[in-house]
Amino acid sequence: AQSVTQPDIHITVSEGASLELRCNYSYGATPYLFWYVQSPGQGLQLLLKYFSGDTLVQGIKGFEAEFKRSQSSFNLRKPSVHWSDAAEYFCAVADLISSGSARQLTFGSGTQLTVLP
Amino acid sequence: DAGVTQSPTHLIKTRGQHVTLRCSPISGHKSVSWYQQVLGQGPQFIFQYYEKEERGRGNFPDRFSARQFPNYSSELNVNALLLGDSALYLCASSLGGKADTQYFGPGTRLTVL
Repeated sequence: AQSVTQPDIHITVSEGASLELRCNYSYGATPYLFWYVQSPGQGLQLLLKYFSGDTLVQGIKGFEAEFKRSQSSFNLRKPSVHWSDAAEYFCAVADLISSGSARQLTFGSGTQLTVLP
Repeated sequence: DAGVTQSPTHLIKTRGQHVTLRCSPISGHKSVSWYQQVLGQGPQFIFQYYEKEERGRGNFPDRFSARQFPNYSSELNVNALLLGDSALYLCASSLGGKADTQYFGPGTRLTVL
């Protein structure tokens, strides 16, 4: 079974500081990778995705992520964090369903981001 | 354009009862997936439906079932509720292809007492 590991359960940064959230995946083929953000009591909002091509992908809200096949990583970065970025962040890999006709998402356990004023 | 909508927002049930959760996908999307998110964890895949057919099922007991209607909306049913079924149930819609992006609704918070 494929898996996603987010090693940091909780990260605290000061507003204006840079941010990097780690994500490692286990997947045999070229992975389809996603980052989602979840505010308290809310659903998941897509930040960015990687399917193929350029390994540095840009997303919404100033976020970017870099796919590194050699390290099986897809880390999320932001150069300057805003207080409104406080939320939980989930990395996910799109895994083939048993029928092979579609993909399901396998999520990491999430990283909770706290932003200090 | 409206995003994915789910109803109800919150639900409280007692053990042994049955519950039905509803989802309407983004207009033009033909696939709906259901996920369960227990507090403190990432979402877990339950079902995926496309054109009213089940395409995949996660590791959940037969108490969980779902269906998709001709208008592509979907229902998730859970029978004989257990305390452990308390969770946020998320619906995601997509176009239906293999390289799709799934867009999530706000979820239904189910509490089982």
